[in-house]
Amino acid sequence: KAGVTQTPRYLIKTRGQQVTLSCSPISGHRSVSWYQQTPGQGLQFLFEYFSETQRNKGNFPGRFSGRQFSNSRSEMNVSTLELGDSALYLCASSLEYQGRNEQFFGPGTRLTVL
Amino acid sequence: AQKITQTQPGMFVQEKEAVTLDCTYDTSDQSYGLFWYKQPSSGEMIFLIYQGSYDEQNATEGRYSLNFQKARKSANLVISASQLGDSAMYFCAMRERGWRSGGSNYKLTFGKGTLLTVNP
Repeated sequence: KAGVTQTPRYLIKTRGQQVTLSCSPISGHRSVSWYQQTPGQGLQFLFEYFSETQRNKGNFPGRFSGRQFSNSRSEMNVSTLELGDSALYLCASSLEYQGRNEQFFGPGTRLTVL
Repeated sequence: AQKITQTQPGMFVQEKEAVTLDCTYDTSDQSYGLFWYKQPSSGEMIFLIYQGSYDEQNATEGRYSLNFQKARKSANLVISASQLGDSAMYFCAMRERGWRSGGSNYKLTFGKGTLLTVNP
């Protein structure tokens, strides 16, 4: 079974631009979560989608948004990029079964904002 | 206040020895889950082990075991017979309820991590 895939793997943008990151979950997984990882703040939860609905969101500004499609694939968008948005963005999918809900992560997209 | 505390920024262990990575957590929920993930230098997060708050026995997965002490709110990871490939960042995480009431919605809160180095 294929794992979680994220595209692109690396991205360089300049301040003020916007970016869209893509995540394809493991087949059969309907929950997709997004995290931002930086050296200073560590791993921070962005949002979670389940069956095309945002179920949870973290404490990030409105510039960060996402969506999920009917095939469970998810996209994350960051508008008006700032230098501080440089980070590793990780996507995770989970199969909600008997309360375990372990999340399986993709390889991440490393975003650099210049 | 931090919900997940990993007090060891870095740990060193000799190959083939056992090592314990500490994790304490804070929650008022009765039902929660604790996870450990490994992150090699490549960046991918690898799921290692899970412990549910109602699980009576400590979780084990191959060379990984979780020393769960509920009253102390600790969930330490024990790696037996360390291998060079175990060198990585290790994160403890807790599943907690999301902002919507009801239903099985949740998010993972991660600790700051422990960098484990296995020496030959």
